[in-house]
Amino acid sequence: GIQVEQSPPDLILQEGANSTLRCNFSDSVNNLQWFHQNPWGQLINLFYIPSGTKQNGRLSATTVATERYSLLYISSSQTTDSGVYFCAVFMNYGGSQGNLIFGKGTKLSVKP
Amino acid sequence: GAGVSQSPRYKVAKRGQDVALRCDPISGHVSLFWYQQALGQGPEFLTYFQNEAQLDKSGLPSDRFFAERPEGSVSTLKIQRTQQEDSAVYLCASSSGRGISQPQHFGDGTRLSIL
Repeated sequence: GIQVEQSPPDLILQEGANSTLRCNFSDSVNNLQWFHQNPWGQLINLFYIPSGTKQNGRLSATTVATERYSLLYISSSQTTDSGVYFCAVFMNYGGSQGNLIFGKGTKLSVKP
Repeated sequence: GAGVSQSPRYKVAKRGQDVALRCDPISGHVSLFWYQQALGQGPEFLTYFQNEAQLDKSGLPSDRFFAERPEGSVSTLKIQRTQQEDSAVYLCASSSGRGISQPQHFGDGTRLSIL
């Protein structure tokens, strides 16, 4: 099946620093979402991004589907950015209806 | 509220008991998904409903797991004769479109602990 690899697995930042998280996927996908799972376990939508670039405040994401990767940029990080960031791809094959395949996540800790 | 609602938030059961987990999707959302998240892992797909029809149940780990959405709105995930390996967070997601056409929005999950 399709493989979704995220890097780095762990990241520690000082408040105010910038970072780039990467998601590689092994096969063609029809769509991609980025999520933030906060320390309370809530899974929050960040971006729904099949291709191109989107920005939302201090966060932006770029997906290059033809090269099978997506990047999540976090600028001027804050302690509230801490948590796990997941990349999830939509796999649409004959028997599937669009369930998400998740990577293992990047655990981000932002220190004050 | 406007989001996906799941109950209970926490559930503790003894091995061998049956449990039922509830999901209230966002009003009007056609698609509903169940995922299982083990500690330290990403969520894994269990099953998918489009309205009341269960179109994909390929991720259900055994025949002890059963899901339904009889009126195309609220869904229940039932686990019979629970075992310790069933301990996990169970997440429900809904989407306004069919399949991949719209993003999935997740509830806060039910944390299930089997003693």
